[in-house]
Amino acid sequence: KAGVTQTPRYLIKTRGQQVTLSCSPISGHRSVSWYQQTPGQGLQFLFEYFSETQRNKGNFPGRFSGRQFSNSRSEMNVSTLELGDSALYLCASRGGGRTDTQYFGPGTRLTVL
Amino acid sequence: SQELEQSPQSLIVQEGKNLTINCTSSKTLYGLYWYKQKYGEGLIFLMMLQKGGEEKSHEKITAKLDEKKQQSSLHITASQPSHAGIYLCGADIPGSGNTGKLIFGQGTTLQVKP
Repeated sequence: KAGVTQTPRYLIKTRGQQVTLSCSPISGHRSVSWYQQTPGQGLQFLFEYFSETQRNKGNFPGRFSGRQFSNSRSEMNVSTLELGDSALYLCASRGGGRTDTQYFGPGTRLTVL
Repeated sequence: SQELEQSPQSLIVQEGKNLTINCTSSKTLYGLYWYKQKYGEGLIFLMMLQKGGEEKSHEKITAKLDEKKQQSSLHITASQPSHAGIYLCGADIPGSGNTGKLIFGQGTTLQVKP
């Protein structure tokens, strides 16, 4: 089975712009979670989607949003980018059960100038 | 809120030596995951522990969850340069329902000197 894929792998934007990141889960997985990783804050949970519905959300401002399509692919959008949004954005997929393991993608490195 | 504390923060060992990384929770753990990350890349799943006293091994890596389910350890036997990277422990959040929300420790950076 192919693993979790994320596109693009690298992105450079300027303050005020918006960005959309994409995640394709492992085939058959219905849950997709997004995380932000920074040197200062570590790995922090953004939100999780299951069957096109957001099931849980972390403590991030409304500028961070996401969605999931019927094929389980997910997108994450950040509007009005700030310098502090520079980070590695990781998505993870799992089958959907409570104890299913999360498998992570390679990440998208976002740099905001 | 629940927090995960990893120790040590960084570790440099000579190839062939054994080492242990610890992950301590402020509350009972309901699913403890160990991942490995190469700098700037995604997380590679190593092992998941759920039951108190549980122990799992894969190749030269062994992970344990204590009986009280508040501490886990990751032990590497006869370390190799390929073991170098950042090791992260992650845990399910009690009360978050059937969702994929995990909290993570701050990571342990391992260097293995040839």
